[in-house]
Amino acid sequence: EAQVTQNPRYLITVTGKKLTVTCSQNMNHEYMSWYRQDPGLGLRQIYYSMNVEVTDKGDVPEGYKVSRKEKRNFPLILESPSPNQTSLYFCASSWGGRGVYEQYFGPGTRLTVT
Amino acid sequence: KNEVEQSPQNLTAQEGEFITINCSYSVGISALHWLQQHPGGGIVSLFMLSSGKKKHGRLIATINIQEKHSSLHITASHPRDSAVYICAVEGGGADGLTFGKGTHLIIQP
Repeated sequence: EAQVTQNPRYLITVTGKKLTVTCSQNMNHEYMSWYRQDPGLGLRQIYYSMNVEVTDKGDVPEGYKVSRKEKRNFPLILESPSPNQTSLYFCASSWGGRGVYEQYFGPGTRLTVT
Repeated sequence: KNEVEQSPQNLTAQEGEFITINCSYSVGISALHWLQQHPGGGIVSLFMLSSGKKKHGRLIATINIQEKHSSLHITASHPRDSAVYICAVEGGGADGLTFGKGTHLIIQP
């Protein structure tokens, strides 16, 4: 089954404790992206990757890191989480970038930073 | 950067009603997406449009490139259609999507 998986689905952590949210897709997609969703603000792009070893900042990259060492995986790293990073996070993938291909979303990760 | 506006923000209707959700954007695009987000949070792609009209079951999506406007219609609405519907456009200079804030639809039995 074609899918994008994220782990964990729910996470409560404390300020400053490094964490990683994993994202994996089994469709051999080249393009992967991370978004955060906040009430009243909608979905906003954090980082994206056009292919292995190619990543770039989206609209709200501050406080986040990513890596793309393998085509299927695109982890999101919060080196020192802060309460303003409490949000619902989605990973997505598609055949290519520029938003002209169907997007496949992961199930979401609800992060709370206290 | 493209500005994406959706209307209405909230919509409550009775089962069986014809539903229309609107999306307008400010800069010319190559593709527009309609997404559905259920209360559990997961997001599903409904349509991707670059021109004209697409239909899938009771859902119809149209786009008018000249007017920079798209509509999502639901015919014979059902309580299981209750969800947030999100319009997104390809970002122009940025690589990725720009999203509207969503329309929260509730269909009452």
